[in-house]
Amino acid sequence: GAGVSQSPRYKVAKRGQDVALRCDPISGHVSLFWYQQALGQGPEFLTYFQNEAQLDKSGLPSDRFFAERPEGSVSTLKIQRTQQEDSAVYLCASSQWGRTGSYNEQFFGPGTRLTVL
Amino acid sequence: KQEVTQIPAALSVPEGENLVLNCSFTDSAIYNLQWFRQDPGKGLTSLLLIQSSQREQTSGRLNASLDKSSGRSTLYIAASQPGDSATYLCAAAAGTALIFGKGTTLSVSS
Repeated sequence: GAGVSQSPRYKVAKRGQDVALRCDPISGHVSLFWYQQALGQGPEFLTYFQNEAQLDKSGLPSDRFFAERPEGSVSTLKIQRTQQEDSAVYLCASSQWGRTGSYNEQFFGPGTRLTVL
Repeated sequence: KQEVTQIPAALSVPEGENLVLNCSFTDSAIYNLQWFRQDPGKGLTSLLLIQSSQREQTSGRLNASLDKSSGRSTLYIAASQPGDSATYLCAAAAGTALIFGKGTTLSVSS
């Protein structure tokens, strides 16, 4: 079946522009996660949704970052007034169940590479 | 706060060698531990998930072990091939999200 998809795959923005990144999780998956991966680093958690509810946004680096999942499926990560330090790969992941559970495997999309000039 | 460390950061081996990648974590209260593969410019591919109650998982030439008491996991790759060249990431499931190490970049030469 189809995996997690993300669009666009690449995005170049001028400093100060707003960007929107889209994630389509695996159909029926309850949980959706956003991660940020800087060059040469492991991914770092940004935010978590269980269905349409945003249960954890502790990893969002500033109030310029905003995420939503209004119907419990597709999610959008929005970054306002982009800065150069926002340049990174943004990864989306989904899992079948809610956040707890030792069997809860996360499946990742290909990521969106954001470059802020 | 959970921290995950991977050693070595990079590894180069000739084709056919068996090899071990190491992962350590500071808090043993984890739900599971996942190993991923990441090719350059690509997303993460899940390789193995070890539940907190399990000791190891196997998939083909890959075997991953988990020792919660010592805070360690290892990924064993048998008979390495050039196609195994990639960055391998381990991640501990604690709380809401996965906590990742920085990865081990593996290069297998033919």
